[in-house]
Amino acid sequence: EAGVAQSPRYKIIEKRQSVAFWCNPISGHATLYWYQQILGQGPKLLIQFQNNGVVDDSQLPKDRFSAERLKGVDSTLKIQPAKLEDSAVYLCASQYGSYNSPLHFGNGTRLTVT
Amino acid sequence: KNQVEQSPQSLIILEGKNCTLQCNYTVSPFSNLRWYKQDTGRGPVSLTIMTFSENTKSNGRYTATLDADTKQSSLHITASQLSDSASYICVVSRNTGGFKTIFGAGTRLFVKA
Repeated sequence: EAGVAQSPRYKIIEKRQSVAFWCNPISGHATLYWYQQILGQGPKLLIQFQNNGVVDDSQLPKDRFSAERLKGVDSTLKIQPAKLEDSAVYLCASQYGSYNSPLHFGNGTRLTVT
Repeated sequence: KNQVEQSPQSLIILEGKNCTLQCNYTVSPFSNLRWYKQDTGRGPVSLTIMTFSENTKSNGRYTATLDADTKQSSLHITASQLSDSASYICVVSRNTGGFKTIFGAGTRLFVKA
């Protein structure tokens, strides 16, 4: 099966600019997650979707971050305006079925904010 | 507070040697525990999953153990290979009407020839 696809692979922007990331989950996976992974740390959940509905966005900085999954398939994560501390890898993961199913991660987008 | 702590932070071993990585958690109520392997520049990949009633699970040269009483897990790697060089992340899930996962910071393993 095809894995989770993410693009772009790398992005360099200046602070106060905006950026968008795209994720296409594994076909049939209803649950989609966006994580932020700062170098040397574990992934931190930003937002969780079940189909096209938001399940958990409690850790999403809503003043600058937004995400959508309009048709319950692919998803975009946007940052506007970016700050230096947003430099990180943004990982998308999808999950099929129950909570005992593994998360399938994409290879992430490495964002550098200068 | 729901936390997952891993040790050591990093580890260097020689190819062919065994090693054990530790994970302590304070997550409650416990649902399951997974170990993920994350190669540099890639997303994490699941190695094992254990629920409350399981105390050991193997996947090839990887063996995970779980002691739900002491809230500790370990990942043992046997006969290490250069390709085992990666970060190993312990992830604990809790179910409180909603399912939440808590990630550890990972152990960075370097296998040297």
